[in-house]
Amino acid sequence: NAGVTQTPKFRILKIGQSMTLQCTQDMNHNYMYWYRQDPGMGLKLIYYSVGAGITDKGEVPNGYNVSRSTTEDFPLRLELAAPSQTSVYFCASSYSTGSGELFFGEGSRLTVL
Amino acid sequence: GENVEQHPSTLSVQEGDSAVIKCTYSDSASNYFPWYKQELGKGPQLIIDIRSNVGEKKDQRIAVTLNKTAKHFSLHITETQPEDSAVYFCAASRGKLTFGTGTRLQVTL
Repeated sequence: NAGVTQTPKFRILKIGQSMTLQCTQDMNHNYMYWYRQDPGMGLKLIYYSVGAGITDKGEVPNGYNVSRSTTEDFPLRLELAAPSQTSVYFCASSYSTGSGELFFGEGSRLTVL
Repeated sequence: GENVEQHPSTLSVQEGDSAVIKCTYSDSASNYFPWYKQELGKGPQLIIDIRSNVGEKKDQRIAVTLNKTAKHFSLHITETQPEDSAVYFCAASRGKLTFGTGTRLQVTL
C-alpha cells in the first residue's frame, strides 16, 4: 500500500528554471493538496483539488501551477524558479475535505540557487 | 481567514514527564481540530483529532482538549518516551485546514 508518493525527493534548480513535482496516490481520494513547509512557518496551502479536472488556489499560489487530469495524479509546476521557492513541498490527499484525515507524502526538498 | 497560533515553538521534557502544546484559533466557525506528528524526514501524520461538539478526547497516552468559548485547544502527552520526539502541528478547519507553526518536542533520557 503505497499511499501518497512524491518525486523527486531532492532537487536543486537555478533561478529561472522550471520543473514539475510529481504526486500520485493510490487510495482513490478525490481531494488532493500541495503544501509548502518553511522553517517556523508551518504548512501553507499552495493549491488543492476536489476532483479530476477541478483545481483551486490556496494561500500561496503565486509562482505555481497545477493540473488534475486523473484522480490519482496531482503535479505541481514551478515556472521561472526563484530563491523564495526554496522549501519543502508536501503533497497530501484525503477522502473528504475540512474534517477528514490528510495523508501526506514524504516531501520534496527544493533548493533554488 | 483562519489564524492558528501555536506555543511553544520548542519543548524539552525528560522521559516519563508530560508535555503540553497549546493552540488558539480565530474563526469561531471552525469545527474540526486535528493534531499531526512529523518525524524527521517524513510527512506529517494524524495522531488525534477533535470536533467542536466534544470537549476532550483521549487515545492511550495522548489527549486533546477543546475550549470553544476561549477558542483554544491543547495536546497532552503523558509518560513521554524518546519516540515521541518530533514536530507537532495543530490545525483548525471550517472547510480547509489552517496549520499552526509547529512545536519541536524533544524527549531526553
